[in-house]
Amino acid sequence: DSGVTQTPKHLITATGQRVTLRCSPRSGDLSVYWYQQSLDQGLQFLIHYYNGEERAKGNILERFSAQQFPDLHSELNLSSLELGDSALYFCASSGTRVGTGELFFGEGSRLTVL
Amino acid sequence: AQSVAQPEDQVNVAEGNPLTVKCTYSVSGNPYLFWYVQYPNRGLQFLLKYITGDNLVKGSYGFEAEFNKSQTSFHLKKPSALVSDSALYFCAVRDIGNTDKLIFGTGTRLQVFP
Repeated sequence: DSGVTQTPKHLITATGQRVTLRCSPRSGDLSVYWYQQSLDQGLQFLIHYYNGEERAKGNILERFSAQQFPDLHSELNLSSLELGDSALYFCASSGTRVGTGELFFGEGSRLTVL
Repeated sequence: AQSVAQPEDQVNVAEGNPLTVKCTYSVSGNPYLFWYVQYPNRGLQFLLKYITGDNLVKGSYGFEAEFNKSQTSFHLKKPSALVSDSALYFCAVRDIGNTDKLIFGTGTRLQVFP
């Protein structure tokens, strides 16, 4: 158990809909990262938050947004969903801002868009 | 830009034989390298990392990795493979000083046959 909790584990929805994925980082970790894993794109970095502030954006679509709350949990909002958004979405946390530490990953949220 | 490459999509090995999963890197500055394993329908689990120091890094589940600066490689190894080692393995580099995110390779599927 990595200590990172993601909900829901599975989500099935229709095109055009909006979903919210939730992540609780390990206790004390200030950094939260979101990744998307799909068969054709591999593991793609989406966005990084540190102590409530956005630090970096990766290949995140404009239809997607995220935030980190004062209690350090994070949410990834996906809107106007398309078939191609079907993927496994991972959250990871890290306790160190300087990057020598490893990231700890949750079990992921599997999104299926029909 | 930082990157890692995993030249093999799949590695097959017999149980009890040594295994190697290859990874090469391209970074500016000192490389911070990681190996993760992903079992089916699970999150990524940290195996080991190289930050500095000894070129041979020991990690979880009997895995080790050899850092080779001249060949820009960080191959994952295990002296005696187990069927339970069958999984997807990812090499990653930390994008230090930019976003601190992990940049992943495309993954190598390890299949250990009884």
